[in-house]
Order: sequence, then C-alpha cells, then structure tokens
Amino acid sequence: NAGVMQNPRHLVRRRGQEARLRCSPMKGHSHVYWYRQLPEEGLKFMVYLQKENIIDESGMPKERFSAEFPKEGPSILRIQQVVRGDSAAYFCASSRTAVRDEQFFGPGTRLTVL
Amino acid sequence: EDQVTQSPEALRLQEGESSSLNCSYTVSGLRGLFWYRQDPGKGPEFLFTLYSAGEEKEKERLKATLTKKESFLHITAPKPEDSATYLCAVPYNNNDMRFGAGTRLTVKP
Repeated sequence: NAGVMQNPRHLVRRRGQEARLRCSPMKGHSHVYWYRQLPEEGLKFMVYLQKENIIDESGMPKERFSAEFPKEGPSILRIQQVVRGDSAAYFCASSRTAVRDEQFFGPGTRLTVL
Repeated sequence: EDQVTQSPEALRLQEGESSSLNCSYTVSGLRGLFWYRQDPGKGPEFLFTLYSAGEEKEKERLKATLTKKESFLHITAPKPEDSATYLCAVPYNNNDMRFGAGTRLTVKP
C-alpha cells in the first residue's frame, strides 16, 4: 500500500542548472497533479496529467517548465535554467479518477536554488 | 475571481480547549470541499470531503461541516498532536484544486 512517492526529497541546484523532480502515483491512480508551495503561501496548482497526456498546464509557467507522465515510469516535472525564485516545495498528488476525487499527496521535493 | 479564504491564519489553543477553523469560498457550482492536514516538511494528508450543504463528517476529535458559502472544521478537546496546518480546497474547474492559505494550529499541553 505504498503512497505517492517523490524523489528526490531535497534538491539543490545552482542558477542556470536543470532540476528534475519525479513522482510515482499511488497504485491504481492514473491522474497526477503537480503543485508548488512557497514559504508562508498556499499550494498553487501547476499541471494535471494522465498517462501520456497533459490535460491542463494552465498553472505552469510557459517558459522553462515542462511536465510529462509517460506510459511507463514516473511523472517528471522539469525546470530548466533554474532561478532563485524557483526555490519552493513541489508536491505531487494522485487520484483514482478526476479532480473531484480525493487527491493523495506525496512528501514533496524541496528545491533550493543557490 | 473564485477564492478560498481560511481564518484565522494562526490559532493557539490549550490542550482540551475546543475551537473552530473557517473556510469560506466563492467558487460557483461547488463540486466538493476538501480538508487536509499538513505537518511541517510533509505533504498534505487527506481528512474529509464534503459535497452538499448540511453535510457533516467526523474523525476522532475533528468534525467538518458545510454550508452554502463556508465550511467549518471543529476541533473538540484538542491534543498537542493535533498541531498542524489545516488546509481546505475546492475544485476550481475540471482540472485543478484551489487551496486556501491554511490555518496554523498550535495546541499547547
């Protein structure tokens, strides 16, 4: 009964480097969501994916950010050429069906950009 | 714009001192209201889903209620281990969940 898995838990990057965040949803869940949480702020929706499809990326910056959920393997959130403002906790959640269903969250990846 | 607002931002209680947290929303056509608990350094943990006005759900010392414009999370005789940030969220459209900023609860022994 593994929950949502995220790795790495902590990631340190220098400005200009790339960050890759991974998320494995709960068994039986085919819907994956990525959120960003800045210190003292709430969770902000970034992107919603199903297997091999991006359903909604309206919360994700148009530049430098991308996400995928391949047929095999985890979902990946990729941030290219990171800047200090990208420092945040990134959470992945999964649900069995649509967004109206309960979402179960992973432990998060804390990205620090030096 | 549709919003989710939680109050108070922070709440300090003595052990055993009951209180309530508020979540008000302006999303039209509510399709569920979700409560989560988040401990420092961890991901949110699902607590409850409420779908219609008048609905109530309970879990240990927590009870969530829903009206047409707001939800309350009642905490009865809290213990220090109830200390956490409590988040509420509503589906904004078909695809994303709008979260409030949370109420940071501290229960002193």
